[in-house]
Amino acid sequence: DTGVSQDPRHKITKRGQNVTFRCDPISEHNRLYWYRQTLGQGPEFLTYFQNEAQLEKSRLLSDRFSAERPKGSFSTLEIQRTEQGDSAMYLCASSPGLSLNEQFFGPGTRLTVL
Amino acid sequence: AQKITQTQPGMFVQEKEAVTLDCTYDTSDQSYGLFWYKQPSSGEMIFLIYQGSYDEQNATEGRYSLNFQKARKSANLVISASQLGDSAMYFCAMRGISGSARQLTFGSGTQLTVLP
Repeated sequence: DTGVSQDPRHKITKRGQNVTFRCDPISEHNRLYWYRQTLGQGPEFLTYFQNEAQLEKSRLLSDRFSAERPKGSFSTLEIQRTEQGDSAMYLCASSPGLSLNEQFFGPGTRLTVL
Repeated sequence: AQKITQTQPGMFVQEKEAVTLDCTYDTSDQSYGLFWYKQPSSGEMIFLIYQGSYDEQNATEGRYSLNFQKARKSANLVISASQLGDSAMYFCAMRGISGSARQLTFGSGTQLTVLP
């Protein structure tokens, strides 16, 4: 399978715990995006990487959130001290380095904070 | 800032009929792209169709076509010959190329149900 993959697909955690999600983009794509989607809403942008550089972060990305893409390939999104409001689907997408290309999404990680 | 508005929370269509899903947008960018994605209950976002702001012809992809009216800032999705497998959530999205507009901005979606 050469699409975007995400791991885990589901995560249940207790409030206050830290969680980490992984995204593996399509191999030749140098742009990687993280989005968050709550029930009944469209995805909202969190952060964007071009290769290993994190070029943009949304104001939705509080200090408890951190994302990395150390070698310009896979990316991780960590949430520290989770809160119930963090419960959502976390989507990763990738695209090649051309303007206005569509983004290809992974299956998402569904986080439930109890 | 960019904004996408989808005013139809839910739509029903009879199998084999055509259906139009509405989308209006707002942007100050001169060059931008408009996208439609399908999200089945499984959760993954599936790219359907793309329209560039300078494209003079409406985009088509199989049974999907995009009715682009630039002056009205609308980008409606038309699905012809609906199939039961078309039942899903549909999102309109846009992306500009100026400034920090690398990400997609999504609307709130339309839940389409195809009736047998």
